[in-house]
Amino acid sequence: AQSVAQPEDQVNVAEGNPLTVKCTYSVSGNPYLFWYVQYPNRGLQFLLKYITGDNLVKGSYGFEAEFNKSQTSFHLKKPSALVSDSALYFCAVRDPNRGSTLGRLYFGRGTQLTVWP
Amino acid sequence: DSGVTQTPKHLITATGQRVTLRCSPRSGDLSVYWYQQSLDQGLQFLIQYYNGEERAKGNILERFSAQQFPDLHSELNLSSLELGDSALYFCASSSSNTEAFFGQGTRLTVV
Repeated sequence: AQSVAQPEDQVNVAEGNPLTVKCTYSVSGNPYLFWYVQYPNRGLQFLLKYITGDNLVKGSYGFEAEFNKSQTSFHLKKPSALVSDSALYFCAVRDPNRGSTLGRLYFGRGTQLTVWP
Repeated sequence: DSGVTQTPKHLITATGQRVTLRCSPRSGDLSVYWYQQSLDQGLQFLIQYYNGEERAKGNILERFSAQQFPDLHSELNLSSLELGDSALYFCASSSSNTEAFFGQGTRLTVV
């Protein structure tokens, strides 16, 4: 069965410092991996995805994520954090073997990122 | 703007009542997903429809039901509401086997 783990409920980092939000996954076969961000009282916004190819993927707002197959991880990173990056971040995985019926996304529990000035 | 529209944005209702949440997917998206987000349970998958047919069921209570219509919009019906049903309900849609796009959600408060 597919699953996603975000081991940290909260990550705190100073503005200007690099940030990492961790994600590990469990899925049979090659996964499709995603990061979403949620600001207060808003829906989830798509940040980036890994489907195939280069293990380092770049997304919106300067975020990037590194796919590591041997460690089954897909950590979200940003070289220099901004106060405005403070939000709830979700990692998700999709099983691509569901064919045309587009299997559901499996989400982690989310990590609250706080960037202080 | 994700292109997914959910109405209403806010809903306050009493215990025991029934409500209907509506979702219009992005143009051309065949797949619609419903999720419930509460503080203690996180983001819970409820149900998925693909081109009018139910495709996957998650932690959806028997008091809840959904459907997807020929024009691809979807409705989530919640009945015999309890205080614990208070949550944010999200709809998402997808047209490919990659990312899904989420609506802004409906905040349901049961009093």
